[in-house]
Amino acid sequence: GNSVTQMEGPVTLSEEAFLTINCTYTATGYPSLFWYVQYPGEGLQLLLKATKADDKGSNKGFEATYRKETTSFHLEKGSVQVSDSAVYFCALSEAQAYGQNFVFGPGTRLSVLP
Amino acid sequence: DGGITQSPKYLFRKEGQNVTLSCEQNLNHDAMYWYRQDPGQGLRLIYYSQIVNDFQKGDIAEGYSVSREKKESFPLTVTSAQKNPTAFYLCASSIRDNTEAFFGQGTRLTVV
Repeated sequence: GNSVTQMEGPVTLSEEAFLTINCTYTATGYPSLFWYVQYPGEGLQLLLKATKADDKGSNKGFEATYRKETTSFHLEKGSVQVSDSAVYFCALSEAQAYGQNFVFGPGTRLSVLP
Repeated sequence: DGGITQSPKYLFRKEGQNVTLSCEQNLNHDAMYWYRQDPGQGLRLIYYSQIVNDFQKGDIAEGYSVSREKKESFPLTVTSAQKNPTAFYLCASSIRDNTEAFFGQGTRLTVV
């Protein structure tokens, strides 16, 4: 079945540091890929997405490129802020015979220190 | 504004009681989902529904029940058969193709 693996956290960085959170996936077909962010006590918010190979999703300084050859969708940001502290989830969705199948990674907690 | 509304935000249940969590969306989405999240854990799928009057079990459906009588609404009942119901519950919806899911703000259920 489909699966998503992401790097274990927590990740602790100083403000203005470079961020990478690795994500790899296993899928039978051609999924769409997503990064979601969750702030404490809240639901998940879509951060960015990519729907086909070589697409780059970007939002709020975060970027991720859909790499089919390496089945990866790593999240990057050039300079993190304290307000970026949250849990980040990598996810995929793939159309199935019966609707759509979402699969989420376990999440990576990011703490950014001033 | 369009979105997904979950209520209540906090819910307390006594042992042996059933409780129902509400999820309403005005996005005109066909598909709706319920997930459970435990502290420090990812999301686990409880139930999902792709159309009105139809729903499917997810990975951890035991002890839960749902209904989908209207497109906008997908309530989740946590029954007394659920042995460890204390968790954060998230409802989501999506269009029926390869697009993102939109999430509600969650309901935190605590058994007292």
